[in-house]
Order: sequence, then C-alpha cells, then structure tokens
Amino acid sequence: GENVEQHPSTLSVQEGDSAVIKCTYSDSASNYFPWYKQELGKRPQLIIDIRSNVGEKKDQRIAVTLNKTAKHFSLHITETQPEDSAVYFCAASTAGAAGNKLTFGGGTRVLVKP
Amino acid sequence: DAGVIQSPRHEVTEMGQEVTLRCKPISGHNSLFWYRQTMMRGLELLIYFNNNVPIDDSGMPEDRFSAKMPNASFSTLKIQPSEPRDSAVYFCAYRQGGDTGELFFGEGSRLTVL
Repeated sequence: GENVEQHPSTLSVQEGDSAVIKCTYSDSASNYFPWYKQELGKRPQLIIDIRSNVGEKKDQRIAVTLNKTAKHFSLHITETQPEDSAVYFCAASTAGAAGNKLTFGGGTRVLVKP
Repeated sequence: DAGVIQSPRHEVTEMGQEVTLRCKPISGHNSLFWYRQTMMRGLELLIYFNNNVPIDDSGMPEDRFSAKMPNASFSTLKIQPSEPRDSAVYFCAYRQGGDTGELFFGEGSRLTVL
C-alpha cells in the first residue's frame, strides 16, 4: 500500500520567515495530494491540494509543488504569522477498485515565534 | 461546521469495557472514513466505506475493532474489549465530490481507556 513520509517532524520559525515541509510517497499511481492543518484540539482541515497533472499551485501565502518523477511534494508558507502555528499533514490519495483512500504523513508541528 | 457529528466527544472507560463511537455525516456523501490519531502513530486509516459498503478494513488493528454503516447517515466504530493502547482520538470523515474530493472531518471522539 501507499506510504507517505513527512519531514521535518517539528519546525520552529520566526514570524515573517518562510516554512517548508516536504513529503515523499511510494505509490506512483497516487494522483491527489492534499495538505491539512490541525490546530490544537481541533479537527484536521484542508488548506490546499494539488493533482498530478499540475506541478505547482498557490493560494495567497501558501503554495504546493509536486514532482511526480521523484515522488515528492512540498508545502511552502511565506511570511509566517503566529496563527500559522499548528500541525500540518500531507497526504496522498491512492486509487482503488471502489474509490480512493487517503494516506497521511506523520505530521509536522510548526511553531511560529513572534 | 456541522457536516459530521461525532459522539461521544470524550469517553473514559476501564480496560475490558465495550466502547461504541458514533458518526452522523450529512447526507449526500459517497464515502465515509474512520481514522485514529495518536502522538506515536499519527493519523491512521482504520476503515472506509463507499456507498455504505466497507471497502478497505486493512487498518483495523485487530478483531476487537468492528465498524458498521447501516445507512448513509450513520456509522459506528466498536471496540470490544477495550485496552489502554486503544486510547486515542477517533475521527470520522466524509468525502463528497468524487474520488479525490476534500475530506471533512468531525470533531473527533477522545477515548481514554484506563
């Protein structure tokens, strides 16, 4: 089955700096790569996603890149703010006979210091 | 967002007791997922349903775990007998919009087994 590795596990940045989280996946058939943000005590929520026919996608201060050849994808947060502090999960969706299931990476705890 | 209602939100029980977690997604979805979240193992997919039919239960830890979805608006995850290592937050999530649509998570059920 699909295996998603995520690095780093923790990331501390100064407010205003950029944060980068990297993920690799194992199943070359995966075609959908979402990123979820989970604030403390809350549920994971989708912040951005990218599909395999696109190499890069941007939404305000966040951007994702995808390299299908190398089977890795990354999340970039620019001009970080304290409210960006949370745990971020990457995921890969693997097609199955009756629908796709989402496999998550281990998560990255991001702390933005004021 | 009341897209998924989970109950109970918190449960504390003693080892050996039966635990039943409930999930009520909004109507109109086509897939429903149960995830377990722990510090050590992150977000693990336990089982998912497509059109109320269990598709992949390979993530269910062992025979003590079972899940049902008798109709499109209700699902249960049962642990019998429970063990301290089952302590975790259990999330139910649904997906709309095709095989690679966004997952909408419930608020989770925090289970503590003493």
